[in-house]
Amino acid sequence: GQNIDQPTEMTATEGAIVQINCTYQTSGFNGLFWYQQHAGEAPTFLSYNVLDGLEEKGRFSSFLSRSKGYSYLLLKELQMKDSASYLCAVRVDRGSTLGRLYFGRGTQLTVWP
Amino acid sequence: DVKVTQSSRYLVKRTGEKVFLECVQDMDHENMFWYRQDPGLGLRLIYFSYDVKMKEKGDIPEGYSVSREKKERFSLILESASTNQTSMYLCASRPRQGRDEQYFGPGTRLTVT
Repeated sequence: GQNIDQPTEMTATEGAIVQINCTYQTSGFNGLFWYQQHAGEAPTFLSYNVLDGLEEKGRFSSFLSRSKGYSYLLLKELQMKDSASYLCAVRVDRGSTLGRLYFGRGTQLTVWP
Repeated sequence: DVKVTQSSRYLVKRTGEKVFLECVQDMDHENMFWYRQDPGLGLRLIYFSYDVKMKEKGDIPEGYSVSREKKERFSLILESASTNQTSMYLCASRPRQGRDEQYFGPGTRLTVT
């Protein structure tokens, strides 16, 4: 199996910056996704990294280091609506299995006023 | 916009019943996936399919089967529902090639009593 670790819970205040880390050990790595999931809803796509470095998209940025098996999601100028679970998912392409994702258990972020 | 729909948002079934969960996508995606999501365990892959009539076991296939007779439709079947199959079930799809993320349906919350 794959080993994907992320913190279970994090808290932060409105307007602050929070960094959610994800580490992984896998073979056939072909990219890392971050999803946001509000309670009772389906996950929605936030970002995708396949090369080392930082990808920025508005208030959200995602970083990947393939050599270290490490990624983080950075959320700036936090808003109450950012309270959600954030899922790290590793894409594994191996043999005939293309596009399969392995998910971490999710990090529940609570933003306080 | 990609649309993935699931037949029910909420479902209550009795132990021993045969249960069908339907998933339909409208973007001609080859790959389709069924997950279940439980608190503290994250998203776990039950079955996936890379094309019509093809299926592959995921990490927790026991007690489930699937059917993919048409490209747009992927059905999850619980042959004899049990209380430990009470969960949130999520369907997803993506194209076989490319960097696209998996697109999720809204989920079906199944309760087996």
